[in-house]
Amino acid sequence: EVQLVQSGGGLVQPGGSLRLSCAASGFTFSNYEVNWVRQAPGKGLEWVSYISRSGETIYHADSVKGRFTISRDNARNSVFLQMESLRTEDTGVYYCAREDDVGDQDPWGQGTLVTVSS
Amino acid sequence: QSVLTQPPSMSGTPGQRVTISCSGSTSNIGGNTVHWYQQLPGTAPKPLIYSNYQRPSGIPDRFSGSKSGTSASLAINGLQSEDEADYYCAAWDDSLKGWVFGGGTKVTVL
Repeated sequence: EVQLVQSGGGLVQPGGSLRLSCAASGFTFSNYEVNWVRQAPGKGLEWVSYISRSGETIYHADSVKGRFTISRDNARNSVFLQMESLRTEDTGVYYCAREDDVGDQDPWGQGTLVTVSS
Repeated sequence: QSVLTQPPSMSGTPGQRVTISCSGSTSNIGGNTVHWYQQLPGTAPKPLIYSNYQRPSGIPDRFSGSKSGTSASLAINGLQSEDEADYYCAAWDDSLKGWVFGGGTKVTVL
């Protein structure tokens, strides 16, 4: 079964750090790009970060640039999101998603809740 | 404020046709393909339409997508109660170098 299983997340104080993980199985992980997408409580979807198949090309949304870093380990079939200097507005559910050749995000991970609060 | 513009909500009775619009610009919809996702409460988004009009396997043909210029639309024919969900359009933006989403449309089945 093709799936992405997420881990990490939780409650952190403003200014703190957190690392999210996304483990892939059921497909050749190194053949696919990956994105992180988040959703604030009661709000819509917001793209966060993109990483290419090799990890050489990375893009981040302006809202997280300089604070978040996406990376991947193809040997471990995993992608990571290191989040630093967290703000209350970073609170939400974070999803990883596999991107195929035509740009479709499929599948998505189950989501992990990040709460930034004092 | 989302880069792609969708109506916040739409409603219809069972069997009706509902069409959700998604408006963008030349840097996103105008130059790239559009994808649509369905999100049921408390769950991860699910692919509904990719590459403007293609349906993943398992998606009923009641759902259809189209694109013209800098706008796209998702049509749901024969609305059913299980279609009550939030729907999002998405496209790559060449200027922003990132994916942009619509604000989402909540579809209610009356």
